[in-house]
Amino acid sequence: GAVVSQHPSRVICKSGTSVKIECRSLDFQATTMFWYRQFPKQSLMLMATSNEGSKATYEQGVEKDKFLINHASLTLSTLTVTSAHPEDSSFYICSARPLAGVRDEQFFGPGTRLTVL
Amino acid sequence: AQRVTQPEKLLSVFKGAPVELKCNYSYSGSPELFWYVQYSRQRLQLLLRHISRESIKGFTADLNKGETSFHLKKPFAQEEDSAMYYCALRTGGTSYGKLTFGQGTILTVHP
Repeated sequence: GAVVSQHPSRVICKSGTSVKIECRSLDFQATTMFWYRQFPKQSLMLMATSNEGSKATYEQGVEKDKFLINHASLTLSTLTVTSAHPEDSSFYICSARPLAGVRDEQFFGPGTRLTVL
Repeated sequence: AQRVTQPEKLLSVFKGAPVELKCNYSYSGSPELFWYVQYSRQRLQLLLRHISRESIKGFTADLNKGETSFHLKKPFAQEEDSAMYYCALRTGGTSYGKLTFGQGTILTVHP
């Protein structure tokens, strides 16, 4: 149980286009989902916290107009990278915290590799 | 602001040798510490948490508030332990659930 999926797993796009990444909790409901960015062989950096039905909370330095987050249901959160540039190329990972169960458990998705040409 | 430091980016040991992955933190509140592991081509997964005081796959970690450390230890490393290990700190209050990760340590266990 407690599986989180991400789609797509890999995406290549041209500079200036927008890319949407989906994060789904497959077998549980998630009140909160988190979006991270990971650079090669480096740590995960939290970008934003997404709560169902409310606006996302962004970390300092993360542009909310560039990284649009929507958490429309208890099983789906989306991250849209708008007007993508090569420096946005990275590995984006989401995690989800179950509505019920172990309060401090987060389950991670497999990540999405974004390459902006 | 909270901070997690893993001083070793790379750590190599031989099979059967003891291994210790270091983690230090700074946080003004009451810390909740975790170790996450990421095996090759797999997603990040929870290894253990300090609250549980459990041993998972032979690994243990003790929270030392005096030294602000949460080092991960295993007395006899196995080849399948080779992975990236992240120490993480969870904050409470209005930022409940947020995890701050260390830089990660790549552990390689040689046969």
